[in-house]
Amino acid sequence: QKEVEQNSGPLSVPEGAIASLNCTYSDRVSQSFFWYRQYSGKSPELIMSIYSNGDKEDGRFTAQLNKASQYVSLLIRDSQPSDSATYLCAPAHSGGYQKVTFGIGTKLQVIP
Amino acid sequence: EPEVTQTPSHQVTQMGQEVILRCVPISNHLYFYWYRQILGQKVEFLVSFYNNEISEKSEIFDDQFSVERPDGSNFTLKIRSTKLEDSAMYFCASSETGSNYGYTFGSGTRLTVV
Repeated sequence: QKEVEQNSGPLSVPEGAIASLNCTYSDRVSQSFFWYRQYSGKSPELIMSIYSNGDKEDGRFTAQLNKASQYVSLLIRDSQPSDSATYLCAPAHSGGYQKVTFGIGTKLQVIP
Repeated sequence: EPEVTQTPSHQVTQMGQEVILRCVPISNHLYFYWYRQILGQKVEFLVSFYNNEISEKSEIFDDQFSVERPDGSNFTLKIRSTKLEDSAMYFCASSETGSNYGYTFGSGTRLTVV
């Protein structure tokens, strides 16, 4: 079983729509969950973090976490063409040097 | 905003040669990492470094790889004898508090082994 599973996409949404990105993880010990955005040829950029079950909103982004189901998602409201990128789900154990493990990422295309 | 700086941005080397990839983490960060991404594949963990020693390393990080923090600012990844399959984007990352709040990544070094 893969540690982090994401649909690689591409997920195509029209400009202004809500994009919904999903991720499941296998390690029940994971405590911290991150979403990174990666533009083609660029490095990952941290956009959201979530640590507790429920929703966390930051601007147009909402992260949702369900630890019992080992599921984390990212909603992007009012999608813009500039949101077109690959979104990486990344769970981590808490504390110190514990590594962050990345999924393959979901490629999002926002169509103008 | 503080940045993680990586040099060079692109390096071409012949198979069997040694390469050193350089990183300057954010100044108050204590945890340092190297990841790599082969074209079209996921970002893979190589090694974490804290308190001047390796904290964790992956199966990829074999004897051909080494890391060093030679002074208070630089963090390097050395590949002793490069192989074609080492061709990838190598990312350095740093964090103030470890994995708790995520990392800041550098812009990466694209290594091409010919």
